[in-house]
Amino acid sequence: EVQLVESGGVVVQPGGSLRLSCAASGFTFDGYNMHWVRQAPGKGLDWVSVITWDGGNTSYADSVRGRFTISRDSSHKSLYLQMNSLRTEDTALYYCAVESQGGLGYWGQGTLVTVSS
Amino acid sequence: DVVMTQSPLSLPVTLGQPASITCRSSQSLVHSDGNTYLNWFQQRPGQSPRRLIYKVSNRDSGVPDRFSGSGSGTDFTLKINGVEAEDVGVYYCMQGTHWPYTFGQGTKLEIK
Repeated sequence: EVQLVESGGVVVQPGGSLRLSCAASGFTFDGYNMHWVRQAPGKGLDWVSVITWDGGNTSYADSVRGRFTISRDSSHKSLYLQMNSLRTEDTALYYCAVESQGGLGYWGQGTLVTVSS
Repeated sequence: DVVMTQSPLSLPVTLGQPASITCRSSQSLVHSDGNTYLNWFQQRPGQSPRRLIYKVSNRDSGVPDRFSGSGSGTDFTLKINGVEAEDVGVYYCMQGTHWPYTFGQGTKLEIK
């Protein structure tokens, strides 16, 4: 059974930094592209970033490019999102997801990031 | 970026009646490999999104057959044949053909 468990979400001040983690199990982690998607309170889904199966390519939404960095560690079967220069508009539930069949086939339960002074 | 436009944004439905949601993309979702990577997701209240449909019309494992997807190019539809109480939630389309992936605004389905 595929399991994705996000962690690292906390309350942080504007301008601060945070690293989110996503622990994966139940599938061959090295074989799949991985994504981060966020959802602000009461709002829709907002794609954030992707990293290819081998870590060789990444892509970011315009709203986070230059501030967020996605990475992965095959030995720990984990996905990460380093978030710097955080803004109040980054407040959201952050999901990690596995890409399959040209979409996001499996999602975690999310971790809440609140940016507030 | 590809813009995904859903309609309606609110969908009140009587139990047992059919429901339909449309999704239009700002450019063709046909990939260079010949596939069309259009997905549909359901998000029940308080839950993570769950994919229902991939590549336009393929149901994910465990998805009831009352859910069906259709369409091509830039116009797509999700149909629910006989809405049940457990179908309440928000439905999103998402394209996986072009980076960055993009979602529709969401359609909130409620029971009348």
